[in-house]
Amino acid sequence: ETGVTQTPRHLVMGMTNKKSLKCEQHLGHNAMYWYKQSAKKPLELMFVYSLEERVENNSVPSRFSPECPNSSHLFLHLHTLQPEDSALYLCASSPALGDEQYFGPGTRLTVT
Amino acid sequence: EDQVTQSPEALRLQEGESSSLNCSYTVSGLRGLFWYRQDPGKGPEFLFTLYSAGEEKEKERLKATLTKKESFLHITAPKPEDSATYLCAVRDPQNAGGTSYGKLTFGQGTILTVHP
Repeated sequence: ETGVTQTPRHLVMGMTNKKSLKCEQHLGHNAMYWYKQSAKKPLELMFVYSLEERVENNSVPSRFSPECPNSSHLFLHLHTLQPEDSALYLCASSPALGDEQYFGPGTRLTVT
Repeated sequence: EDQVTQSPEALRLQEGESSSLNCSYTVSGLRGLFWYRQDPGKGPEFLFTLYSAGEEKEKERLKATLTKKESFLHITAPKPEDSATYLCAVRDPQNAGGTSYGKLTFGQGTILTVHP
């Protein structure tokens, strides 16, 4: 595997389900990010981690819970989501905070 | 609040018809402007970083330039495979505490379609 990988690529979940998104970076980077991309809206930054420490929580509802167990892996735990949470969720990494970011392919989430 | 505005929202070109995309920003103390390309259903792909006015970078048919208020992505003799959404983003300046979270503020993108 190279670059940034994300699983699953597609996810359909009900409003009462609990699921997790996984991101792995194979670039040796120190910073990782979660973004939400909705139709016709700019990319929205959700969370930032640097060396496994969360440095930004961009006013994200508590039904989204990030976890960064090491500098190569990032998770986004989801529970009791709303239909408006349906979007493309993108993970990115960068060599350090502020450097150019490299994105994964995203997880297309649909909440029914 | 930092703002990034891209224009036009959509651009249709014939193959070989050169044009430019615009990214204007309002941020004091710019610490980097980034260009990305995004294909449908995929994550953005990093293209360029520009740091100071007058700086230019090139890659194949793309050339990015930067002034104090805006950046242009020039596309010379485009091909159908250049069709994509082009995103620009600015890096926030340092916060008052002297540390930077490296937060990027993205524009809405320009959807480029190149017809053969």
